[in-house]
Amino acid sequence: DVVMTQSPLSLPVTLGQPASISCRSSQSLVYSDGYTYLNWFQQRPGQSPRRLIYKVSNRDSGVPDRFSGSGSGTDFTLKISRVEAEDVGVYYCMQGTHWPWTFGQGTKVEIK
Amino acid sequence: QVQLQESGPGLVKPSETLSLTCTVSGYSITSRYYWGWIRQPPGKGLEWIGSIYHSGSTYYNPSLKSRVSISMDTSKNQFSLRLTSVTAADTAVYYCARDAFDIWGQGTMVTVSS
Repeated sequence: DVVMTQSPLSLPVTLGQPASISCRSSQSLVYSDGYTYLNWFQQRPGQSPRRLIYKVSNRDSGVPDRFSGSGSGTDFTLKISRVEAEDVGVYYCMQGTHWPWTFGQGTKVEIK
Repeated sequence: QVQLQESGPGLVKPSETLSLTCTVSGYSITSRYYWGWIRQPPGKGLEWIGSIYHSGSTYYNPSLKSRVSISMDTSKNQFSLRLTSVTAADTAVYYCARDAFDIWGQGTMVTVSS
């Protein structure tokens, strides 16, 4: 199985400041079709997860543009340009290139 | 607007079979996409259980493969999860979701206990 390793696991941030979460995979996530199936999810307290980013850097509909994804191969990053109170929650990366699909452990974002 | 809704028993006895159904509205499950199940034990992270393609092909997490099956009922636009021989370790919130998880259900809590 592809192991997804996120860091940090806990991220205290100041409102209005940027935040960054790293996700590394144990093997390349480039699929035979040339696409990289790396997604990011946000899970607010008590809610279902919500996909923010798909295929590394594509924002889902309705996702604020302060969220951005980048990376390639085995190293990926989710950035929040200016953290708002509603961004509190747990963020997961997930790979959909190799079966079984696997998630990172999650990064808990909280306000300082 | 596409919506997914999980349903099924909230309590299952050890060694019995967990059965859940996901009802999809606003889109035909036979048109396109994978349709999957994910679970989350209390206070823990997400685990992909398996997915069924719109054509009926299935893909399972090897960690559960011997116990899990996913099927479709096209007449009701539903897909279902069966997990056999459950233990306390299967206690979790179970979610259904579309494709690469762009749309999720609200989740249903299943507790395994006698």
